[in-house]
Amino acid sequence: EAGVAQSPRYKIIEKRQSVAFWCNPISGHATLYWYQQILGQGPKLLIQFQNNGVVDDSQLPKDRFSAERLKGVDSTLKIQPAKLEDSAVYLCASSLESGRDRDTQYFGPGTRLTVL
Amino acid sequence: QKEVEQDPGPLSVPEGAIVSLNCTYSNSAFQYFMWYRQYSRKGPELLMYTYSSGNKEDGRFTAQVDKSSKYISLFIRDSQPSDSATYLCAMRGFQGAQKLVFGQGTRLTINP
Repeated sequence: EAGVAQSPRYKIIEKRQSVAFWCNPISGHATLYWYQQILGQGPKLLIQFQNNGVVDDSQLPKDRFSAERLKGVDSTLKIQPAKLEDSAVYLCASSLESGRDRDTQYFGPGTRLTVL
Repeated sequence: QKEVEQDPGPLSVPEGAIVSLNCTYSNSAFQYFMWYRQYSRKGPELLMYTYSSGNKEDGRFTAQVDKSSKYISLFIRDSQPSDSATYLCAMRGFQGAQKLVFGQGTRLTINP
């Protein structure tokens, strides 16, 4: 089965510019997650979707970050405007359905963002 | 205090050694415990998944959970150079859309 796809793999922008990342989850997976992984740290959840509804966005900096999941499949994460501290790897993950006892998240390769 | 603490290493051992990786946590609501392996410039991949206290073995890997001490471990036997990666512990609560909380990750190198 195909894994989680993300694009682009790398992005370099100037601070105050905008950037968008795209994620295509594993087919049939209802739940989609966006994580931020700063160098030397573990992934931190930014937002979780169940189908096309938001389940948890408590750690999403909503003044600059936004995300959507149209039709409950693909998702985009946007940063506008970017700050230096946004430099990180942005990981997308998907799972069959959150809340199940043995829910397993599968991660994509990530998008490495550098803000100059 | 972080919810999940993990020694970032780096840890370097010779091939064939037994490796022990550990995490401590503070949230007693955590019920599901996972270990992910992350190769350089790749996303994390699930290695082990355990529920509550006890041991789980899968090939050369053994995961242990001690809820009374809020301490989890991953043991790797007969370590191989291909095991060189960053190992992340992760955990979550029992019900609903409980988010995964990750440790910082331990960078492991197995030297041939």
